[in-house]
Amino acid sequence: RKEVEQDPGPFNVPEGATVAFNCTYSNSASQSFFWYRQDCRKEPKLLMSVYSSGNEDGRFTAQLNRASQYISLLIRDSKLSDSATYLCVVFPSGNTGKLIFGQGTTLQVKP
Amino acid sequence: DGGITQSPKYLFRKEGQNVTLSCEQNLNHDAMYWYRQDPGQGLRLIYYSQIVNDFQKGDIAEGYSVSREKKESFPLTVTSAQKNPTAFYLCASSTLRQGSYEQYFGPGTRLTVT
Repeated sequence: RKEVEQDPGPFNVPEGATVAFNCTYSNSASQSFFWYRQDCRKEPKLLMSVYSSGNEDGRFTAQLNRASQYISLLIRDSKLSDSATYLCVVFPSGNTGKLIFGQGTTLQVKP
Repeated sequence: DGGITQSPKYLFRKEGQNVTLSCEQNLNHDAMYWYRQDPGQGLRLIYYSQIVNDFQKGDIAEGYSVSREKKESFPLTVTSAQKNPTAFYLCASSTLRQGSYEQYFGPGTRLTVT
């Protein structure tokens, strides 16, 4: 089983749609969780950290379910500019700062 | 502006040649990381360093070497021993302060070896 698993997609949605991505992780002791966005042929950029209570940033909502070991990202009112690959990232534990990256979920928003 | 710079953006080399990729950060981050990304694949960790003059192997260190002589700089050498060096190489840094483990990436170097 991979340490971090995501549905690779692609998810093809119309503008204005709501889309949700899920990600599961295997290490129950994992401490921190993030969503990164990666545009084609560019570097990953931090989209948001994920907190136990859930957090929202504009049209984006991230949730963590420790009991079931999954993280979700919800995008409301999708824009064409949201088209990208979304990476689920987990900091398992320890002090090395090593992050575990999922393979990413590709989102394509169509007009 | 604070950030991470990588150079060059594109690099072409012949098989059998060593090549060094540059990574510099002015974020005052303690930790730096090198990743490799292949088309349609996730990021794989090559090497990382938490402090000057110290570094550890990641998951795919064979055929690569690094140095960390200054806090700001973490160059990666792709040696001729690396069997499939053509890839997108990403450098990242992190503060490692408690509760702050997110990493910030440079723009990457796309290496093509023929």
